[in-house]
Amino acid sequence: KQEVTQIPAALSVPEGENLVLNCSFTDSAIYNLQWFRQDPGKGLTSLLLIQSSQREQTSGRLNASLDKSSGRSTLYIAASQPGDSATYLCAVKQEYGNKLVFGAGTILRVKS
Amino acid sequence: GAGVSQSPRYKVAKRGQDVALRCDPISGHVSLFWYQQALGQGPEFLTYFQNEAQLDKSGLPSDRFFAERPEGSVSTLKIQRTQQEDSAVYLCASSLPWRAPKLEQYFGPGTRLTVT
Repeated sequence: KQEVTQIPAALSVPEGENLVLNCSFTDSAIYNLQWFRQDPGKGLTSLLLIQSSQREQTSGRLNASLDKSSGRSTLYIAASQPGDSATYLCAVKQEYGNKLVFGAGTILRVKS
Repeated sequence: GAGVSQSPRYKVAKRGQDVALRCDPISGHVSLFWYQQALGQGPEFLTYFQNEAQLDKSGLPSDRFFAERPEGSVSTLKIQRTQQEDSAVYLCASSLPWRAPKLEQYFGPGTRLTVT
């Protein structure tokens, strides 16, 4: 059974810092991995999707990497801003099957 | 274009009541998913439809939970005889079919269910 773990559970940083969020998964037979952002009381916004054959994806100040064989992904946020404050969720889709398996998330607070 | 929409956004039910939650997927998306998100946790899979066919319901926690998508578009998640442990945010997501290259899931805003 796939299990997804996110570390740290919560993070508080001053504005302008670069930061790294970690995601690990137990079964490396994945089809893709998605990073989502969730604001309080809102749904999930997809940030980046990495196919299993890819090593990284970039969008603006965000960069996500994937090491499928070791079961790890990182989300790098450059020059953090107060507007980045949210919960960040990592989810994997298995090679066979359709559902996403999520981690519990990292709560990020960027202080101005 | 319009994203995934869900209604109601908030629902308060007394224990024992039945509730129905609605999801309108993105037009053209044949795959539809329901997830349950408890407070402080990540979403957990409930069930999956391909068009009107419910292909996976392995995540439904009990036989009080029932989902349908009769015409392959709008879906309804019904919870009978609600209990306090059913309190959660219910998220709906849609995506293109299996043959699409990315299979990215797009999520609605969720319905927050509180059972008192």
